[in-house]
Amino acid sequence: AQSVTQLDSHVSVSEGTPVLLRCNYSSSYSPSLFWYVQHPNKGLQLLLKYTSAATLVKGINGFEAEFKKSETSFPLTKPSAHMSDAAEYFCVVSIPFTGGGNKLTFGTGTQLKVEL
Amino acid sequence: NAGVTQTPKFRVLKTGQSMTLLCAQDMNHEYMYWYRQDPGMGLRLIHYSVGEGTTAKGEVPDGYNVSRLKKQNFLLGLESAAPSQTSVYFCASSYPQRLQYFGPGTRLTVL
Repeated sequence: AQSVTQLDSHVSVSEGTPVLLRCNYSSSYSPSLFWYVQHPNKGLQLLLKYTSAATLVKGINGFEAEFKKSETSFPLTKPSAHMSDAAEYFCVVSIPFTGGGNKLTFGTGTQLKVEL
Repeated sequence: NAGVTQTPKFRVLKTGQSMTLLCAQDMNHEYMYWYRQDPGMGLRLIHYSVGEGTTAKGEVPDGYNVSRLKKQNFLLGLESAAPSQTSVYFCASSYPQRLQYFGPGTRLTVL
């Protein structure tokens, strides 16, 4: 079984300050991990993905995440928040289905608010 | 190249009505998926398909049916809509064991 826990349902930061969104996972397999972002009334956009290559993954818009196997965590960070980063962020674990395809397990999401 | 498209974008139904959501992809992906998104619960898999003519149940299949008659299309049906099916529905597609690409979503309200 696999699961994803996003420890904060809401995070609020000031513009120009660092962002940290926490994510813990559990998986019986060596997982692939993703972060998706969803702006209000929009679809899901892939920010970055980890697929067992480098543990530090760089994504779009200055975001990055580090795969920490010993802590079973995959935190998302950005050095300096921008107003346009305000959105909901989902941490996702992926493992292969037995019959093919990938099973994605989504965290419950973290709403990021960026204040002036 | 439109990617993954969903029709309609919005729909309001009365309890007991039926409807079909259409997902189309032009990336020649083998696999297609239907998810629902509810507040505080992330996305949950309803049904998926690993190829034309095949479908399988996901985490929350009850009350839904699907069909994959053509490789590029994946239909999600509600035979008798219930208020509990009020949600945002997302379709996705992928190559085997590869990244899933998501559509823009369909917002469904059942009164």
